[in-house]
Amino acid sequence: KAGVTQTPRYLIKTRGQQVTLSCSPISGHRSVSWYQQTPGQGLQFLFEYFSETQRNKGNFPGRFSGRQFSNSRSEMNVSTLELGDSALYLCASSLDRVGVETQYFGPGTRLLVL
Amino acid sequence: AQSVAQPEDQVNVAEGNPLTVKCTYSVSGNPYLFWYVQYPNRGLQFLLKYITGDNLVKGSYGFEAEFNKSQTSFHLKKPSALVSDSALYFCAVRPRSGNTPLVFGKGTRLSVIA
Repeated sequence: KAGVTQTPRYLIKTRGQQVTLSCSPISGHRSVSWYQQTPGQGLQFLFEYFSETQRNKGNFPGRFSGRQFSNSRSEMNVSTLELGDSALYLCASSLDRVGVETQYFGPGTRLLVL
Repeated sequence: AQSVAQPEDQVNVAEGNPLTVKCTYSVSGNPYLFWYVQYPNRGLQFLLKYITGDNLVKGSYGFEAEFNKSQTSFHLKKPSALVSDSALYFCAVRPRSGNTPLVFGKGTRLSVIA
């Protein structure tokens, strides 16, 4: 079974631009979560989607948004990019959204904001 | 609020020696506990998780973890380290009740020296 895929793998943007990242979960997985990873802050939870609805949201500004489609694929969008948005963005999927379910991570999208 | 502490930023161990990566948590009740590993330029890979029952959990690549309720710890161990085990290790916790996201520790960089 194919793992979680994320596109693109690398992205360079300039301040003020916007970006859209894509995540395809493992087949059959209905929950998708997004995380931001930086050297200083570690892994921080952005949001979780289940059945096309946002179920949880982390402490990030409204510039960060996302959505999930009927096939469980998810996108996240960052508008008005700032230098501090440079990070590795990780997507994770799980079968369901109960706590015991293991989240499986994609390889990430590395975003560099210049 | 729930939190996870990985008290060591870096752990160095000689190849063939046993290794321990420490993790303590602060969560009400008995949480689900996870260990993930991250290799350079890769996403997180699931190693093992504690749900209930036996306090010693066996996982992938020869790793195991010991759950200690009284010390609220979930240390990762391996009897004999390999150079290929060198990576960044993350402990994560999720409460059993509610639908809250995974909370990760800051990560511990393991370096296995030949």
